[in-house]
Amino acid sequence: QVRLVQSGAEVKKPGSSVKVSCKASGGTFSRYLITWVRQAPGEGLEWMGGIISIYGTPTYAQKFQGRVTITTDESTDTAYLELRRLTSADTAVYYCAREVAFGEYAFDLWGQGTMVTVSS
Amino acid sequence: QSALTQPASVSGSPGQSITISCTGTSSDVGNYKFVSWYQHHPGRAPRLMIYEGTLRPSGVSYRFSGSKSGNTASLTISGLQAEDEADYYCSSYAPGSPFDVIFGGGTKLTVL
Repeated sequence: QVRLVQSGAEVKKPGSSVKVSCKASGGTFSRYLITWVRQAPGEGLEWMGGIISIYGTPTYAQKFQGRVTITTDESTDTAYLELRRLTSADTAVYYCAREVAFGEYAFDLWGQGTMVTVSS
Repeated sequence: QSALTQPASVSGSPGQSITISCTGTSSDVGNYKFVSWYQHHPGRAPRLMIYEGTLRPSGVSYRFSGSKSGNTASLTISGLQAEDEADYYCSSYAPGSPFDVIFGGGTKLTVL
């Protein structure tokens, strides 16, 4: 059974960058849309962007354009989210998720979440 | 793109049915079948309950059902159980660019 396993919690300074990983354990996600979603404390879910590994070209929510990079490494079935120029507003739990089936834009397989805290 | 509109909270007693609405526009909910619903318990990953507006993934109880009319999608939970208490989020495909997905603001369900 495929699981998505994310990297551990991070504490970052304002202005720095963070890179969160998401590894598919027990399977692959090369043909699925992998997306990143975050939840700030007390807030709702927020879509950040996604990528289909075999196509290679990511797409990002307009809010994060220029500040986020989503990549995949097919050799290790790992997806990455890099967020730059961090502020306290980026303090959130970051989730990766895999599409239930190609073209459904719905996500049934989720990582456990990675807490990113931005604090001086 | 703006978030989809959901009520902040709903409540019901065990055994009752409740419905959560999710209002979008003709650019998202109204024009595409790709509406999903997620259950989210604090401290856990979201769980997909409904996709493509009405479909239940394997393992999701028949008590959960989805529908759509115009720009508004709805999630109905019948036979409420204490374990249903959670936050519920809708989402929709909203193509401003490939793969764009937007979420609702979330609805807190309280089982009285």
